[in-house]
Amino acid sequence: EDQVTQSPEALRLQEGESSSLNCSYTVSGLRGLFWYRQDPGKGPEFLFTLYSAGEEKEKERLKATLTKKESFLHITAPKPEDSATYLCAVLNSGGYQKVTFGTGTKLQVIP
Amino acid sequence: NAGVTQTPKFQVLKTGQSMTLQCAQDMNHNSMYWYRQDPGMGLRLIYYSASEGTTDKGEVPNGYNVSRLNKREFSLRLESAAPSQTSVYFCASSEAAGAAGYTFGSGTRLTVV
Repeated sequence: EDQVTQSPEALRLQEGESSSLNCSYTVSGLRGLFWYRQDPGKGPEFLFTLYSAGEEKEKERLKATLTKKESFLHITAPKPEDSATYLCAVLNSGGYQKVTFGTGTKLQVIP
Repeated sequence: NAGVTQTPKFQVLKTGQSMTLQCAQDMNHNSMYWYRQDPGMGLRLIYYSASEGTTDKGEVPNGYNVSRLNKREFSLRLESAAPSQTSVYFCASSEAAGAAGYTFGSGTRLTVV
């Protein structure tokens, strides 16, 4: 069964203090790994898709990387508006179109 | 704004009552999904529709039914609500099943008492 584990559960950073969020996964053939951002009371917002080990994607202060066992979301010089819960999800290569989500990392950036 | 629209945003039901959650997308996406989100559990797939005219069970389908009314609309019905169905429900869509990234609606917060 596919599994996604995100760590830490919560992270508190000072504005400008860079850090990384971790997503460890077990999947029967990775077809894609997704990162989403979720603000309180809203639906997840798509950030990135990574398809193969070694791939990297960037968007503003966020950079996602992928290895064969995990993905990292690096946040460089974060701002208070980066505060949100970040979700990781994987899609397996089986015929059943099932995306497995992790429980997320809640990030708080303090001014 | 283009995207996924869900109604209602909030609902309180009594045990045994029925209701339908509505979802519509205006991005001409082929695939649509219903998820529930519970604290500490992550998002779990209830049902999905890979394309118009097809629906399939997800991870937690018991107690729910769905209808893909047309390409734009995908509804979720609770026939006899139970307290265990208290959750936040999200509808999502994508260009194709398994395509890169889903677009989610803003959710329906359902409480069953």
